[in-house]
Amino acid sequence: ETGVTQSPTHLIKTRGQQVTLRCSSQSGHNTVSWYQQALGQGPQFIFQYYREEENGRGNFPPRFSGLQFPNYSSELNVNALELDDSALYLCASSSTTGIPYNEQFFGPGTRLTVL
Amino acid sequence: LAKTTQPISMDSYEGQEVNITCSHNNIATNDYITWYQQFPSQGPRFIIQGYKTKVTNEVASLFIPADRKSSTLSLPRVSLSDTAVYYCLVGPSAQGGKLIFGQGTELSVKP
Repeated sequence: ETGVTQSPTHLIKTRGQQVTLRCSSQSGHNTVSWYQQALGQGPQFIFQYYREEENGRGNFPPRFSGLQFPNYSSELNVNALELDDSALYLCASSSTTGIPYNEQFFGPGTRLTVL
Repeated sequence: LAKTTQPISMDSYEGQEVNITCSHNNIATNDYITWYQQFPSQGPRFIIQGYKTKVTNEVASLFIPADRKSSTLSLPRVSLSDTAVYYCLVGPSAQGGKLIFGQGTELSVKP
């Protein structure tokens, strides 16, 4: 059973550019959530996808968008990058069945630096 | 969602028991208490979850008093590899729901 994988591991972009981050969920998981973690802070929920539909969104502007594919992998797209978008972006997968509740399996993250 | 308060940092020595307390005064009836661990440059990892009383697994114990307004994560006999940030989360039982992380407790274990 493979865990959650994310690509790329590191990325450097300039202000105004667009970026796409990718996530492969753990086998058997149908839900993917994305989080942004600034240095020294806890992860902040961006949005969640379930069965290819957005299923909840945090306090992030529309330039943060996502996709989930039939194989449950997911993409996070950020347009018009700003300096404050520099952070570790975490993807987490989970299943809608089973216990414990709220157990999400996180990938290693993508470190995005915006210059 | 219930807000949580926990110490910013704690220090301990190898072999000691570490107890991290989290306050969540506004916890709702259908909220569960969940703890995650995060090492530098890695994603958080689920440690333990409970609703009331005591829960124990191979890694930790979770103590929840009857009023559920606080909880304590207990790590027995810590080692250097337990140095990490520990997050207390409180949220509804909806599977895979939105997780609200606070700042966490940075635990430093010294030799």
